[in-house]
Amino acid sequence: QQQVKQSPQSLIVQKGGISIINCAYENTAFDYFPWYQQFPGKGPALLIAIRPDVSEKKEGRFTISFNKSAKQFSLHIMDSQPGDSATYFCAASTAGNKLTFGGGTRVLVKP
Amino acid sequence: NAGVTQTPKFRILKIGQSMTLQCTQDMNHNYMYWYRQDPGMGLKLIYYSVGAGITDKGEVPNGYNVSRSTTEDFPLRLELAAPSQTSVYFCASSYLSSNQPQHFGDGTRLSIL
Repeated sequence: QQQVKQSPQSLIVQKGGISIINCAYENTAFDYFPWYQQFPGKGPALLIAIRPDVSEKKEGRFTISFNKSAKQFSLHIMDSQPGDSATYFCAASTAGNKLTFGGGTRVLVKP
Repeated sequence: NAGVTQTPKFRILKIGQSMTLQCTQDMNHNYMYWYRQDPGMGLKLIYYSVGAGITDKGEVPNGYNVSRSTTEDFPLRLELAAPSQTSVYFCASSYLSSNQPQHFGDGTRLSIL
């Protein structure tokens, strides 16, 4: 049972464009929603995270939008750069910090 | 700081063999985790530990065992390797509190033939 569904599986964006990745969850007990970035041959690294009492969080070019009623959240990468080419995972956790990951989105930024 | 260190980086096993994947962290984190990553499937939690001597099952524990004798080390053991266990394995650690970022190692790529 996949409790966090992520889309699209891959996307290609031109340098300077906006990348948008969407996630939907089922478990209303989730109370923490991080995004992880993974480069080839490396482990995932925390990019940005949000709690459900906040509708939006921005850190530099990365923004999380959160819709509690729809049980959806998304990552926006503004002014996408070739260095942003990576796989992005959304995740969700309940108490105890056990993460449930989405399936991942491979982002390719073309120069 | 080294962070989370996993060894080996690559390994090929024959069906039925056993091995231990090593994981050590130097951040004094209480929580440690093992995940497996299959193509297009994200990461799935195998086992986790909230401190030395305490372990619990995650989403996909069958075929694996863990132990946590120290805060720093959290080895994952495969007793009878099966082709379905071909995957990339990641170890992670975090502080005790909920909603703390998990810090990942660079993974062990395991093939079972």
